Amino acid sequence: DIQMTQSPSSLSASVGDRVTITCRASQGISNYLAWYQQKPGKVPKLLISAASTLQSGVPSRFSGSGSGTDFTLTISSLQPEDVATYFCQKYNSAPLTFGGGTKVEIK
Amino acid sequence: VQLVESGGGFIQPGGSLRLSCAASEFIVTSNYMTWVRQAPEKGLEWVSVISAGGSTFYTESVKGRFTISRDNSKNTLYLQMNSLRVEDSAIYYCARDSPNTDAFDIWGQGTMVTVSS
Repeated sequence: DIQMTQSPSSLSASVGDRVTITCRASQGISNYLAWYQQKPGKVPKLLISAASTLQSGVPSRFSGSGSGTDFTLTISSLQPEDVATYFCQKYNSAPLTFGGGTKVEIK
Repeated sequence: VQLVESGGGFIQPGGSLRLSCAASEFIVTSNYMTWVRQAPEKGLEWVSVISAGGSTFYTESVKGRFTISRDNSKNTLYLQMNSLRVEDSAIYYCARDSPNTDAFDIWGQGTMVTVSS
């Protein structure tokens, strides 16, 4: 099975900082990669599908890139409301594995 | 468009529970539908998926114990969980695989399952 590895597992940054989260697949998954945001005590929310397609209503400071095995989620200017845990997920075929998550906090 | 789970609770190891996920404003049987779980203070773990055609897939740790199914007349997704273990304790979410993207675009609010003696 393909493993999904996220890094870092947590980060602390200042408001306005550029934040980058990495997700690596153990084998190529083309662009079948999604990013989810889960705020504390809330249900996960789909941010990005197909590695780089921003979902409707998601702020444009979020962006995704990558293909194959290496993917990136970028927040161009971190805002207080972005405090959350972010998960990547492969969905090309079962098992539809999630990455371990990256907890983003404000410094 | 929403999903509403029910059926969680407290159960002893070895017991069984059936989770339900009622959908509104879309047809369950026309979509891939998924169960995802999250143990307390842990990450998301994909559990099972049922395709629009009825094919089913499971994560290795639940194979032979859990069964995903659906009822067209009730527009509801189910997860039958047998031989429950302490490590199955988690919030269980149902989710719809988007017909446009295949990622999980609609999530239920989750239902808590606690397995303990």
